[in-house]
Amino acid sequence: EAQVTQNPRYLITVTGKKLTVTCSQNMNHEYMSWYRQDPGLGLRQIYYSMNVEVTDKGDVPEGYKVSRKEKRNFPLILESPSPNQTSLYFCASSLPSPDTQYFGPGTRLTVL
Amino acid sequence: KQEVTQIPAALSVPEGENLVLNCSFTDSAIYNLQWFRQDPGKGLTSLLLIQSSQREQTSGRLNASLDKSSGRSTLYIAASQPGDSATYLCAAAVLHMDSNYQLIWGAGTKLIIKP
Repeated sequence: EAQVTQNPRYLITVTGKKLTVTCSQNMNHEYMSWYRQDPGLGLRQIYYSMNVEVTDKGDVPEGYKVSRKEKRNFPLILESPSPNQTSLYFCASSLPSPDTQYFGPGTRLTVL
Repeated sequence: KQEVTQIPAALSVPEGENLVLNCSFTDSAIYNLQWFRQDPGKGLTSLLLIQSSQREQTSGRLNASLDKSSGRSTLYIAASQPGDSATYLCAAAVLHMDSNYQLIWGAGTKLIIKP
C-alpha cells in the first residue's frame, strides 16, 4: 500500500529537549516536505526536499532542521523546542513536478 | 506574494443539498490548483487537481472548476452526505525561478452535513 508514515503520532515534551519526528514514504517520490498546521493559519511549509541531499527552506524554517540522506526518509529535527512550536505537523511526498501530494497522518506536538 | 483565501471558514447544510466551496488566489500565475479533504485526527487526502490549462475536473459527486483570470476555484459537491463532513482545503501550486515549486494553502472550510 502506497503510504507516508510519521512517528510518533503524539508527543508531549519540555522546552529545550531535542526531538526528531520521522517521515518515510514507499512510493519512490523525489519530493518531500514538512508542514505545520495551526488554527486559522492553514498549512505552512517548514522545509522541502527535491531529492536526496537537496533541502530548502519553506516559509517557517526557524527552529527546525531536516536531512535527506535516503530517498524514502525525511526526518524533522527540533534541536531546542519551544512552546511556540506546539502544532500539528504533516509530512508529504510527491513526484518532482507539482503533482498530487500524499500526506502522512500527522504528528501532534506539545511543548511545555 | 501569492495568497489563498477560503470563505466561509465553516458551513453547515442539511443532507442531500448541493453545495459550493470557494477558493480565491491573488496571483493568476499558478501551475495547478489542488483540493484536499482533512478528517479529524487524520492527514490530508487529495480530491482533485486542476492544471492551469484546464477549466474543471470531476470525480464522482465532486466537481472542481478553475478561473485563473478571476483568481477563483470552486468545489461543487452534489447530493451531500453526512460522510462528506470534513475540512476542505485548497492549495495553489506556484513555480519558482529555480524550478522548485511550493503549495500555498488556504485555511480551509469546515463542512458539516446534518442528517
